[in-house]
Amino acid sequence: DGGITQSPKYLFRKEGQNVTLSCEQNLNHDAMYWYRQDPGQGLRLIYYSQIVNDFQKGDIAEGYSVSREKKESFPLTVTSAQKNPTAFYLCASSIVGTNEKLFFGSGTQLSVL
Amino acid sequence: AQTVTQSQPEMSVQEAETVTLSCTYDTSENNYYLFWYKQPPSRQMILVIRQEAYKQQNAMENRFSVNFQKAAKSFSLKISDSQLGDTAMYFCAFMEYGNKLVFGAGTILRVKS
Repeated sequence: DGGITQSPKYLFRKEGQNVTLSCEQNLNHDAMYWYRQDPGQGLRLIYYSQIVNDFQKGDIAEGYSVSREKKESFPLTVTSAQKNPTAFYLCASSIVGTNEKLFFGSGTQLSVL
Repeated sequence: AQTVTQSQPEMSVQEAETVTLSCTYDTSENNYYLFWYKQPPSRQMILVIRQEAYKQQNAMENRFSVNFQKAAKSFSLKISDSQLGDTAMYFCAFMEYGNKLVFGAGTILRVKS
């Protein structure tokens, strides 16, 4: 089955620690995205990538970093510079240039210990 | 920057009745796409309906339909014959060319038996 896999489902971060959230897709989509969702709020774009080895900042990129070394993978690192990392993180992918819908993963809940 | 506004934080409806969720957006673009996504308690994002701005005809998917008013920049979602499984957070979203999806803050819909 084609789809997007996010792991882990739950993640805990200690003070000063960097953590990496995984996102893998086998849909052969060129574009991938990371969104952050705070309780009772909408989704805000962190980073997106439309092609391998290239990515752009979204609206709330500070304290986060990404890489896109492979088409299938778009990991997100939450760095120690992100002072309020507790949130639900959603990864998505889409076909570039068609304005078709985004396909979403099942999300990772990140909490601070 | 494009913005999406959902003015109803919470709504409730009796089972089998009809409910309308409101959404307005702001853009200077002429060609774009609008979406309604549903997020049930599982937090999986599910596409409900999609509307292309160049099409005047309102989109429909079974019990879900939209009222798209381009000049007013309004995109409301009507759910007919509401079911308990419709209970979820509903997000209105805007996409311009380039596939960046901008979300509203969401409306929590509770369907009561």
